[in-house]
Amino acid sequence: AQRVTQPEKLLSVFKGAPVELKCNYSYSGSPELFWYVQYSRQRLQLLLRHISRESIKGFTADLNKGETSFHLKKPFAQEEDSAMYYCALFNTNAGKSTFGDGTTLTVKP
Amino acid sequence: GAVVSQHPSRVICKSGTSVKIECRSLDFQATTMFWYRQFPKQSLMLMATSNEGSKATYEQGVEKDKFLINHASLTLSTLTVTSAHPEDSSFYICSAKGAQGYGYTFGSGTRLTVV
Repeated sequence: AQRVTQPEKLLSVFKGAPVELKCNYSYSGSPELFWYVQYSRQRLQLLLRHISRESIKGFTADLNKGETSFHLKKPFAQEEDSAMYYCALFNTNAGKSTFGDGTTLTVKP
Repeated sequence: GAVVSQHPSRVICKSGTSVKIECRSLDFQATTMFWYRQFPKQSLMLMATSNEGSKATYEQGVEKDKFLINHASLTLSTLTVTSAHPEDSSFYICSAKGAQGYGYTFGSGTRLTVV
């Protein structure tokens, strides 16, 4: 079964501190993993794709197949990073996507 | 936790026909439901927002007569692609937000192929 787990519903850090949003998955094939972000009163938007290995807004995420994880990291959190973050696994050929429950990140001044 | 069931997961239809996709919240009342379409590079485009008992609010550029959305109850929203064309082939995802709590719950998506 395809599953995505974000163990933390709420995460709070101080500005300038490192932040890590956890995402674990279970999937039998090669996963296509993504991070989406939704800022307050804005739409859901793509933050990262694991296949591109790019860094957006200082965030990075490495796929660890051994630990079946795709944690989102940023070395120095900013107040504008406060948002809801969703980890997602896609298998579009099979017509299936799985989103985690989301983590609300609050960056305090 | 909250679960959203989306059906069908895959559908193939002929050009000119209509297809209905259902999105159900199984254990909570979804006051608001959202319909997304996935574009290349896996970005999601919000198509419309529907609130139970009222007309859906469509995003700019989305044809409301082509993508009919009905949110007749607090647990069911449907998206009907009318007179489908090959360019409508895509991956459609719904999500729901309950009256209480926070965050959004996503359906598993529907792969539509129009031939």
